[in-house]
Amino acid sequence: GNSVTQMEGPVTLSEEAFLTINCTYTATGYPSLFWYVQYPGEGLQLLLKATKADDKGSNKGFEATYRKETTSFHLEKGSVQVSDSAVYFCALSVLTGNQFYFGTGTSLTVIP
Amino acid sequence: DADVTQTPRNRITKTGKRIMLECSQTKGHDRMYWYRQDPGLGLRLIYYSFDVKDINKGEISDGYSVSRQAQAKFSLSLESAIPNQTALYFCATSVSGGTDTQYFGPGTRLTVL
Repeated sequence: GNSVTQMEGPVTLSEEAFLTINCTYTATGYPSLFWYVQYPGEGLQLLLKATKADDKGSNKGFEATYRKETTSFHLEKGSVQVSDSAVYFCALSVLTGNQFYFGTGTSLTVIP
Repeated sequence: DADVTQTPRNRITKTGKRIMLECSQTKGHDRMYWYRQDPGLGLRLIYYSFDVKDINKGEISDGYSVSRQAQAKFSLSLESAIPNQTALYFCATSVSGGTDTQYFGPGTRLTVL
């Protein structure tokens, strides 16, 4: 079947620290992979995506590389800011039915 | 104006009441989805619709029903609300075909007492 496992939180970092949130997946077929971000009181917003192996998605200083050999899509940022405090969701989508499968979310708090 | 809107944003109701949550979109997308979000469980799919005449059950459809009144409108109903349906509910849309991005509304926080 299809599923996503992501690093449990909460994660607390100091401003300018390096961030990694791990995400691994299981999928039938060839999925597209996504990171969504949810700021307090808001809906989910697409942060970045990658549609095939070895693609790197990037946005707002965040990056993630689609690693087929390790079935992973880890999210990284070199220097986090207070404004990055949010919940981050890893997700995959398979062609059949365009259904999304979400991880459980990782809460990030960045302190000044 | 937001592309995907949900009403109401917050609702408190009592066990046994019928509740309808509404979703409207101006993105012109064919596909619409309803999810619920619970702490520690992420988002789970309730129902999805690929067009007005195509409605499908998701992972957790029991206790819910939906109506696709038009391409732009997709409503979720709880016929007889129960406390374990207390959650944050999100509507989402996407274009047809492929594995493209889903776009989310701001959510409806529902509390069933």
